[in-house]
Amino acid sequence: DTAVSQTPKYLVTQMGNDKSIKCEQNLGHDTMYWYKQDSKKFLKIMFSYNNKELIINETVPNRFSPKSPDKAHLNLHINSLELGDSAVYFCASTQTGELFFGEGSRLTVL
Amino acid sequence: AQSVTQLDSQVPVFEEAPVELRCNYSSSVSVYLFWYVQYPNQGLQLLLKYLSGSTLVKGINGFEAEFNKSQTSFHLRKPSVHISDTAEYFCAVRYNDMRFGAGTRLTVKP
Repeated sequence: DTAVSQTPKYLVTQMGNDKSIKCEQNLGHDTMYWYKQDSKKFLKIMFSYNNKELIINETVPNRFSPKSPDKAHLNLHINSLELGDSAVYFCASTQTGELFFGEGSRLTVL
Repeated sequence: AQSVTQLDSQVPVFEEAPVELRCNYSSSVSVYLFWYVQYPNQGLQLLLKYLSGSTLVKGINGFEAEFNKSQTSFHLRKPSVHISDTAEYFCAVRYNDMRFGAGTRLTVKP
C-alpha cells in the first residue's frame, strides 16, 4: 500500500495548457510539500501545507496554485504552462521528522 | 535560514572501495539532518537521519554518517560500495522545512 502516491506519473503537454498533479498520503501526517526537481537534480521547495493551511510559499510564479481539500491530499495546478516548467514534481509528507516522498510526476512541456 | 552544501557533485569509485560523501550545513539553530538516496527514475528514499543523541548514525544498506557540530558537517560513509549503490545522494537539513543540497552523483565502477 503506497504511502505517498502521485498521479499522473508522466505528463506531456503543449505550452499554454493547464495541468494538475494530484497527491495523496495515507500516513496520517499533518504536513505536505511540493518540490520541483530540475534537470540538474536540484530539489527546490515550492509549497508546504499544514493541516490544509498554506505554511510556505516560496518564490513560485502565480501560475502555480496548490490546493489541499483535506490533510491527506495536496494537489498542484499549473496554468499557462511554459517550457521552463518541465521538471519532475515531487509530493512529500511529514509529521515531525523525515519526509516521505512520492515517486514523482515528470512534466514535459513542448 | 538554514542551508546545505554538498562539496562534491560527482564521486566515482571502484567496487568494494570505501566512499565518503561530504555535506556541510549552515544554521543558527539546532536542526535535524538527513541523507536521502535517489535511484534513476525513482523518488527519494531515506538512508539515515540525525535528530539527537549519538553523533554516529547508522542507516540502511551499510551507510553511516557522523554529525559534527563544531565543523557543521554530516558526512556520509560506506566502507565497501557495490555497483547497486550507484545513485544520486542528497543531504538535507530541517528546521521549519526541509532544504536539500545540490546532490552528489555516486558512480560505482566494476
